Amino acid sequence: DAGITQSPRHKVTETGTPVTLRCHQTENHRYMYWYRQDPGHGLRLIHYSYGVKDTDKGEVSDGYSVSRSKTEDFLLTLESATSSQTSVYFCAISDRTGGNEQFFGPGTRLTVL
Amino acid sequence: TQLLEQSPQFLSIQEGENLTVYCNSSSVFSSLQWYRQEPGEGPVLLVTVVTGGEVKKLKRLTFQFGDARKDSSLHITAAQPGDTGLYLCAGPPPGSGGSNYKLTFGKGTLLTVNP
Repeated sequence: DAGITQSPRHKVTETGTPVTLRCHQTENHRYMYWYRQDPGHGLRLIHYSYGVKDTDKGEVSDGYSVSRSKTEDFLLTLESATSSQTSVYFCAISDRTGGNEQFFGPGTRLTVL
Repeated sequence: TQLLEQSPQFLSIQEGENLTVYCNSSSVFSSLQWYRQEPGEGPVLLVTVVTGGEVKKLKRLTFQFGDARKDSSLHITAAQPGDTGLYLCAGPPPGSGGSNYKLTFGKGTLLTVNP
């Protein structure tokens, strides 16, 4: 299995507070991704990174920011959490072999009250 | 607009039955992938199909990529409770070429195999 960890695994927070989720990989893959998964919507891309300090927006980026200062770490920040951001968040990595196969972390379940 | 449509959305069967789930698009994909996601975990890659008409087998799972590369199917023979999970198809967005690193996902088929 690809070495990907996410922290925290569960978090409950209140509306308006900042939240940072961390993704850490030991595979030295260049590409990293943040998704959210919600019933009825499937997996949706929030932001992705194609190298250190190189990031770009996905389809649901509003309200989220990311940073990647090292190859192994990709941080997702909710500047001011809202209830609509209650979701399960997955990090994924890829080295773009074949058809861009991605390897996923275990997920973070975030609840915003 | 959902680029990849999966059907059925839900499927509940008994152990030992066969089943097929589908992933369809009106667009041509350079490749398609299938993932399985178990409750409380992240998706795990099962297979990538690249060539139109390609068939790949993984034990009791058979994956097929349509000749026109617009659809794919997953057939499971003699399903077991361990096959329970959410099956997702995904592929690089059409027209993305070699410079795009993203995947677009279908919403998945939730399979339950009852003992």
